[in-house]
Amino acid sequence: EDKVVQSPLSLVVHEGDTVTLNCSYEVTNFRSLLWYKQEKKAPTFLFMLTSSGIEKKSGRLSSILDKKELSSILNITATQTGDSAIYLCAASPTGNQFYFGTGTSLTVIP
Amino acid sequence: KAGVTQTPRYLIKTRGQQVTLSCSPISGHRSVSWYQQTPGQGLQFLFEYFSETQRNKGNFPGRFSGRQFSNSRSEMNVSTLELGDSALYLCASSDSLLGNEQFFGPGTRLTVL
Repeated sequence: EDKVVQSPLSLVVHEGDTVTLNCSYEVTNFRSLLWYKQEKKAPTFLFMLTSSGIEKKSGRLSSILDKKELSSILNITATQTGDSAIYLCAASPTGNQFYFGTGTSLTVIP
Repeated sequence: KAGVTQTPRYLIKTRGQQVTLSCSPISGHRSVSWYQQTPGQGLQFLFEYFSETQRNKGNFPGRFSGRQFSNSRSEMNVSTLELGDSALYLCASSDSLLGNEQFFGPGTRLTVL
């Protein structure tokens, strides 16, 4: 059965801390892994990782795909209160059918 | 470009009724996917449509159905509503069939009483 598991379920940090969110996947014929940020609204896209693009970076956020370990991490450095959100990881076996993890809830305290 | 729009934003129904939700994708996007989001299960894939054809289907009962029109707008129908169908229903559009970025709409919050 295809599945995506994220850890930890929740995290509370202070502003300025660095956090690492984990995502592991078991997806037949894996094609891509996406990271999303969800506040009190629709998920917004962060990164897409594939076999040909295993590392992405945007500002304080970066993500790496480990094809051998079937996992990915999302790093956020120098966290800010605006980073508080649920971070979702999704893996696709084919086309646009994505399996989502239940997310990591991040709370950044001033 | 306007984003993905979903209507209605909120719905309250009673058990046994049926409901139709609508999604308009970003202009030019031909792929529309539907997801159910609940606190316990997270986001679960319902189905994907492309050019009026269902391409992929998740593990949901036949009470959940959908369709896509020639202008790429999509509707999702749930018949014989159950209490457990209460959820946020999200629609996402994409300009690709290759598992690239999906743009999500604001969702329809369905409450079944």
